[in-house]
Amino acid sequence: AQKVTQAQTEISVVEKEDVTLDCVYETRDTTYYLFWYKQPPSGELVFLIRRNSFDEQNEISGRYSWNFQKSTSSFNFTITASQVVDSAVYFCALSGSSADSWGKFQFGAGTQVVVTP
Amino acid sequence: NAGVTQTPKFRILKIGQSMTLQCTQDMNHNYMYWYRQDPGMGLKLIYYSVGAGITDKGEVPNGYNVSRSTTEDFPLRLELAAPSQTSVYFCASSSGTANYGYTFGSGTRLTVV
Repeated sequence: AQKVTQAQTEISVVEKEDVTLDCVYETRDTTYYLFWYKQPPSGELVFLIRRNSFDEQNEISGRYSWNFQKSTSSFNFTITASQVVDSAVYFCALSGSSADSWGKFQFGAGTQVVVTP
Repeated sequence: NAGVTQTPKFRILKIGQSMTLQCTQDMNHNYMYWYRQDPGMGLKLIYYSVGAGITDKGEVPNGYNVSRSTTEDFPLRLELAAPSQTSVYFCASSSGTANYGYTFGSGTRLTVV
């Protein structure tokens, strides 16, 4: 069975501080895919990034960066110089390649990020 | 460029009533999904479909039914609504390969009283 753990329920920071969201996953699949989604207060789910299990390169996109480490089964997400607009719930998700997990996402419980001015 | 459209956006049901949550996508995606989101619990898969005429249960299917008569539509039926079904429901679609993300609808907030 697949599992995604986001141990941080809520993180509060002051604007311009960096914030790192942790994501730890479990899967028996050798090929799998990891995702981050953002859910702002308006409620929609916004795709942020996709990472394949065979590509451990870290990625930076503007103020966002992702650190994927297979050795620790982690896919952490950092927001640099946070802004009030970053306030949202962030979900980590896992999709496998086996018959049981194909095409189905396992979501973490989410981390609420609160950025105050 | 509509993507995934869900209706209604909000609904209040009385215990024992039934309703259908509608979901339509215009991207010709084979895979469609229904998730529910409870506070602090992330998203749980209710049902999914890999193509017209094919549906299967997810993690929390009890109290729900689905059908997939066309590629575009994937309605979710609630029979005999219960307070435990108070939640936000998201429909999603994908091209069907595991490495592609979902496109989500905007959600339906359902309250059962």
